Amino acid sequence: AQSVTQLGSHVSVSEGALVLLRCNYSSSVPPYLFWYVQYPNQGLQLLLKYTSAATLVKGINGFEAEFKKSETSFHLTKPSAHMSDAAEYFCAVSDRGTGGFKTIFGAGTRLFVKA
Amino acid sequence: DTAVSQTPKYLVTQMGNDKSIKCEQNLGHDTMYWYKQDSKKFLKIMFSYNNKELIINETVPNRFSPKSPDKAHLNLHINSLELGDSAVYFCASSPYEQGNEKLFFGSGTQLSVL
Repeated sequence: AQSVTQLGSHVSVSEGALVLLRCNYSSSVPPYLFWYVQYPNQGLQLLLKYTSAATLVKGINGFEAEFKKSETSFHLTKPSAHMSDAAEYFCAVSDRGTGGFKTIFGAGTRLFVKA
Repeated sequence: DTAVSQTPKYLVTQMGNDKSIKCEQNLGHDTMYWYKQDSKKFLKIMFSYNNKELIINETVPNRFSPKSPDKAHLNLHINSLELGDSAVYFCASSPYEQGNEKLFFGSGTQLSVL
């Protein structure tokens, strides 16, 4: 079964600083990988997804992620944090089992942005 | 228009009661899901339906019974509620196509069992 591990349950950065949220995956086949964001009291929304077309994936709100097969990583970055980026971020992988496709989520990383 | 809508947003009830959560999507997707998010924000899939047919059941207690009257609706009924059922339940939908399972989530139902 495929899985993802997010390193760090909490990350705190200053406004304007680099955001780096770490995710490592475990997969026996080329994975489909995703980053989702959850703002308080809301459902998750997709930031970006990797489907093997390009290793550097650009998403919404200035976020991007780089797929590194040698490191089994898919870290999320943003050059300059904004206060509105404060949220919970989830890395996820698509897993195909006998019953169909399902998305497996990491434990989440809470991003705090300090003024 | 809200793409995935679920009701109610909040549900407070006593142990042992039976309750339902409704979900509707207007995106034309074939697949719908129920996810449970616990107090530590961990998100776990419960069920998946494709075109009204159950395709994934993640060993959820049989007190939980999903029902899909058509591919735009997926409801969740919970019998004999227990304290451990307290969580946020999210409905989601997606196209049925690996690599394109962009999930569209509802805003969640916060269930509190007292």
